[in-house]
Amino acid sequence: AQTVTQSQPEMSVQEAETVTLSCTYDTSESNYYLFWYKQPPSRQMILVIRQEAYKQQNATENRFSVNFQKAAKSFSLKISDSQLGDTAMYFCAFMKPNAGNMLTFGGGTRLMVKP
Amino acid sequence: GAVVSQHPSRVICKSGTSVKIECRSLDFQATTMFWYRQFPKQSLMLMATSNEGSKATYEQGVEKDKFLINHASLTLSTLTVTSAHPEDSSFYICSARGPMGDTGELFFGEGSRLTVL
Repeated sequence: AQTVTQSQPEMSVQEAETVTLSCTYDTSESNYYLFWYKQPPSRQMILVIRQEAYKQQNATENRFSVNFQKAAKSFSLKISDSQLGDTAMYFCAFMKPNAGNMLTFGGGTRLMVKP
Repeated sequence: GAVVSQHPSRVICKSGTSVKIECRSLDFQATTMFWYRQFPKQSLMLMATSNEGSKATYEQGVEKDKFLINHASLTLSTLTVTSAHPEDSSFYICSARGPMGDTGELFFGEGSRLTVL
C-alpha cells in the first residue's frame, strides 16, 4: 500500500516571499502520478500541480513548482511570490495509474500567508 | 473544464433521520466517482468508490448499510447517510475521474457539511 507523509502540519510565510512544502511517499511502483491540491476556507479542492513519475522534468504552473526526487521519493511544492489567496490547506496526493484513480492523500499542511 | 457539483452544501438533520447528498458531473460523464469524509483539520479519507451501474466498493471500516451509495446514471452518484447520529457529522466530498481518460486528474465537488443534532 502507498503512504503519503507531510511532515509540516502548519507553515507561515510573508506575502511575496517563497515557501516550500514537503511531501514524501512510499511505494513499490515505478510509474505513478503525484499531485498537490489546495483546499481554501471554502473547502473546494483545487488541483495546483501534477507530476508524472516517468517525467524527469519538474512540473511548473506559474508561481507553483515542484522538486520531484524519485529516488528519494520526495515531492515538495514551492510557492513563489506568495499571495494572501494562497492561504489554504495543501494536500500532497499519490495515484497509481490504471488502478481505478484512487488517490492517497497526505495529512495536509496548513499554510498561512501573512500581509 | 470538468465541473463536479454537490448538493446540498450544508445540511442539518435530527438524529435518526436519513440524509441524501448528490454528486453530479455537469459537463461530462463519470463512470466512476469517489466519496470522501473529512474531519476538521484532517485529511480526506476515502469511503467508497461508486461505479455506474454496479455496486459501490467500500473501504475497510466503512459501514455499507450506514452509507448507501447509488450511481444510477453517468452523471449522478448519491450518498445516503441512514439513521444519522451526531458522530456522522462531517464534511463529505465527492470526486470524479475527468472526461479525458486516465490522465490521473480527479475533479472535486464543493463538499457537503452534515451536522446531526
